[in-house]
Amino acid sequence: ETAVFQTPNYHVTQVGNEVSFNCKQTLGHDTMYWYKQDSKKLLKIMFSYNNKQLIVNETVPRRFSPQSSDKAHLNLRIKSVEPEDSAVYLCASSLQGSNTGQLYFGEGSKLTVL
Amino acid sequence: GDSVTQTEGLVTLTEGLPVMLNCTYQTIYSNPFLFWYVQHLNESPRLLLKSFTDNKRTEHQGFHATLHKSSSSFHLQKSSAQLSDSALYYCALGGYKLTFGTGTSLLVDP
Repeated sequence: ETAVFQTPNYHVTQVGNEVSFNCKQTLGHDTMYWYKQDSKKLLKIMFSYNNKQLIVNETVPRRFSPQSSDKAHLNLRIKSVEPEDSAVYLCASSLQGSNTGQLYFGEGSKLTVL
Repeated sequence: GDSVTQTEGLVTLTEGLPVMLNCTYQTIYSNPFLFWYVQHLNESPRLLLKSFTDNKRTEHQGFHATLHKSSSSFHLQKSSAQLSDSALYYCALGGYKLTFGTGTSLLVDP
């Protein structure tokens, strides 16, 4: 049963455009994440928020910016997409930190940059 | 920093044969959490099993793994592979943050 909802699930755009992905979780978790899964299926953490506060900010290009209005929502904006941004962006949440607790992933948002 | 090594990128085997996917890790933490996540085609990853207890077998859905701190390993095993086990399997290490391995694709043939 899905409890982490992402929109859109697919997006095709051109280089230089802006893209936003939205994520909402209904599990009551305090911590949310954005992961990038590339074409080789490598999973990389991008950002982590705990109760609206940024706690993990990996080395990602500055064109990526997360936004959280409350602990149930975490959005991701990419301000001028590049071809290497083509990937699946996975939102996740956890009750405890991901280092000890289970991550619940959304269905993913697949971005294709032409 | 923390790291996770999954040596096999692809494992192919026949239905009914035993499964073993390797996972070793490096961390400075003396009490790490280890996880296996599974991702089926066109789905998102989900937790398969986890452990933080040394030398204790953890089981779920026919799969099992034992955390061995002496060898820094957390190999995933199953006695008899099924076609539905075909998926991508990630080993992950919980330290300051969660670190995923590169994943092992398991393909089970009839």
